[in-house]
Amino acid sequence: DAGITQSPRHKVTETGTPVTLRCHQTENHRYMYWYRQDPGHGLRLIHYSYGVKDTDKGEVSDGYSVSRSKTEDFLLTLESATSSQTSVYFCAISGQGNTEAFFGQGTRLTVV
Amino acid sequence: AQTVTQSQPEMSVQEAETVTLSCTYDTSENNYYLFWYKQPPSRQMILVIRQEAYKQQNATENRFSVNFQKAAKSFSLKISDSQLGDTAMYFCAFMKHGGTSYGKLTFGQGTILTVHP
Repeated sequence: DAGITQSPRHKVTETGTPVTLRCHQTENHRYMYWYRQDPGHGLRLIHYSYGVKDTDKGEVSDGYSVSRSKTEDFLLTLESATSSQTSVYFCAISGQGNTEAFFGQGTRLTVV
Repeated sequence: AQTVTQSQPEMSVQEAETVTLSCTYDTSENNYYLFWYKQPPSRQMILVIRQEAYKQQNATENRFSVNFQKAAKSFSLKISDSQLGDTAMYFCAFMKHGGTSYGKLTFGQGTILTVHP
């Protein structure tokens, strides 16, 4: 299994509070991604990174920000959580020229 | 932009039988990859099979095979000799070829497959 760890695995938070999800990899892969999974939508790309301090927006980036200060860590922040951000969040990694993306175990976030 | 459509929200099959999951996609790209991912109740995303669009030969991985019809933009997954462990959500996914496209996947809505004993 690819070395990807997401933390926390589960979180319940209140509307309006900030939340940060962490993705840590031990594979030294260049590319990292955050997806959200919702019923009827499959997985959708939120943000991605193609190197330290290099990030870009995905399909559903509104309300989210990311940071990557080290190769191994990619943080997803919800500045002010809303109920529409209740979802399962997946981190994925991919190496240079590698067509396969490896996924973390997912984080279930509930905003009440 | 690419779109991926899985029109079967749920499917069921008897153990040892064969089942086919459907997927269609829309793109203006000529070079791309298509994938089927399996998500069991554990929530882990597992790559089942991958197809490169420039290869005419359909990909096969043990009991899993695809029927790739590039002109029709169709990419179905056939599971032979279904096993109880095949019970999962299956996602079809698209990825453009090259550069920073690697790992940037467009997913379908998913198909829940249940294998009955």
